Formats: sequence, C-alpha cells, structure tokens
Amino acid sequence: GESVGLHLPTLSVQEGDNSIINCAYSNSASDYFIWYKQESGKGPQFIIDIRSNMDKRQGQRVTVLLNKTVKHLSLQIAATQPGDSAVYFCAETPDDYKLSFGAGTTVTVRA
Amino acid sequence: SQTIHQWPATLVQPVGSPLSLECTVEGTSNPNLYWYRQAAGRGLQLLFYSVGIGQISSEVPQNLSASRPQDRQFILSSKKLLLSDSGFYLCAWSHQLARYFGPGTRLLVL
Repeated sequence: GESVGLHLPTLSVQEGDNSIINCAYSNSASDYFIWYKQESGKGPQFIIDIRSNMDKRQGQRVTVLLNKTVKHLSLQIAATQPGDSAVYFCAETPDDYKLSFGAGTTVTVRA
Repeated sequence: SQTIHQWPATLVQPVGSPLSLECTVEGTSNPNLYWYRQAAGRGLQLLFYSVGIGQISSEVPQNLSASRPQDRQFILSSKKLLLSDSGFYLCAWSHQLARYFGPGTRLLVL
C-alpha cells in the first residue's frame, strides 16, 4: 500500500550545525507535501509546505526540497537551535481530505 | 488570526464510560474539520473529517463517533470507552490542503 516514511527515527545535531531530515513517499499521485514539528505533549505545528510543481521552497531558517523522480522529500534547518528539538513529520496529500503522515524523526540538539 | 481550542487537555476515564471531547475554531468560517489519533511514538491516524455542519465522514470503523453541531465546533464521542481508545487526540482545521492542529487531548482509559 501507499505510505510515507522517514529514513531515520532519530537525529542528533550539534547546536549551530545544519540539520537535514529525510522522508520517502510512495504515492506518485500526491501533489502537496507538508513538514510539521511536534514538541512533547503538544499538537503538530505547521513548518513549511511545497507543491509538486516546485522542487525547492525556503522559509525562515528552513528549506524543503522535493525530488519527484525518486519520491524524496527533505527538510533542512539552518543553524540548529535547542528550540528545534522535537519530532518532525512529513505528510503528503493524495487527495483533498487525506493527509498521510510518516512515523516521525526525533531531533535532539546537543549544546 | 485563526485559533483552535481543545478540551480537556488530559482525561482519565474508566473502561465502559462515555466520552466527549470538544474542539472549536476561531477566526475563520466554514473550515474543514478533522479528528486524528496519535498512538505513542507513532504517526497520526485520521478518524473523522467534516466539510460542513452535520456532515461527517468516518475513515476507520471504531468505537468512536463525531458530530458537528455548529460551523466551528467539532465533537468526538463514545458511548463506551475501550482500553484501546487511549491515545492523544488532535483536532485540526483547514481551508485548503494544509492542516492546522490544536493542542490535543491526552486520553487514558483504565
């Protein structure tokens, strides 16, 4: 079946370094992707999105890259800060009402 | 700006008891509304969505039901809770594709 998954369940990053979180998806019909950040005990927070007609989109300290050829999505966080420690989810939308989530990558920032 | 509220934040209920979780959205009208459940250490599972008052679509057969009595109010209910209903329940809204989530309700069924 179709699924969204993240390559690594955990990522440890030194404060100040750049973080790269990867995600593979298998539904070629998906045309919209979102990255969420979830801190412990809180709801997911929207970070950035990208449509399939783009291959890169930048926000504040974050960049999302989309490679449709290999069905790969990544989130880059520049100059990682302690407040970036959280679980990061990628999600795809195969249709207007369904948002398929991966299991998440836990990012830990080392001081 | 839009705000989404959920309550209660935490709930401990005995098996067989009823459940009512409430979600309200402010700052927008006619949103699509969603209920998700998140098991510990896992992704989010869509339970219900609604495109308008009284319109509910269920994604998975289960012990839960949803209702939308007002445009910006979404309620998750159960007549008799099961142990397997424990989890983190998240309400979300959207106008287009992006979902915006509430703070969640942590439910523990004992």
